[in-house]
Amino acid sequence: DTAVSQTPKYLVTQMGNDKSIKCEQNLGHDTMYWYKQDSKKFLKIMFSYNNKELIINETVPNRFSPKSPDKAHLNLHINSLELGDSAVYFCASSQGRGDNEQFFGPGTRLTVL
Amino acid sequence: QQQVKQSPQSLIVQKGGISIINCAYENTAFDYFPWYQQFPGKGPALLIAIRPDVSEKKEGRFTISFNKSAKQFSLHIMDSQPGDSATYFCAAGLGGGATNKLIFGTGTLLAVQP
Repeated sequence: DTAVSQTPKYLVTQMGNDKSIKCEQNLGHDTMYWYKQDSKKFLKIMFSYNNKELIINETVPNRFSPKSPDKAHLNLHINSLELGDSAVYFCASSQGRGDNEQFFGPGTRLTVL
Repeated sequence: QQQVKQSPQSLIVQKGGISIINCAYENTAFDYFPWYQQFPGKGPALLIAIRPDVSEKKEGRFTISFNKSAKQFSLHIMDSQPGDSATYFCAAGLGGGATNKLIFGTGTLLAVQP
């Protein structure tokens, strides 16, 4: 009964490759997010979608492209991976745009060699 | 102005003691202040949250104190237990805004010694 799930949990790849991370939530929420947590554990919002509409797009390189096929899914595709992209990526979801609780997934640890 | 400053970076407390983590913000438009708890290898999970119309909120052993004039808020963990050992993040957001963007603090690694 996982609320927010991500695949894969670990991703090891070479510089220059393209990779995708998938996220699914079964909470019936209409808003989903991608966060990046760096090696110092700093947590920063990257993107947010509400009803498949992009509502938050932080200053993220355009090598990162989110895609929301429906309200329950938000995928993250990364082109031309760089060493600095190594981090833990968290997907989250919430109901509505207000101050409702954000539920986080277990994270995807991306290592770029 | 979008930053949320959190201290200390790490904290060691004896079992049964009080853990205190402090945060400060600059943007007076923020009106939602949650605390998230993260265990190793897991995603953050909401612990407790407060809105600026109250100065304190308590849930079990966890209390948020909020000082609107000083633009500061803190988390107090009473009777700290080894199971509380985790990283704690404060955050600030605009609850009524067009987005639900949260700005997170830098995190505090809490270790409760038995």
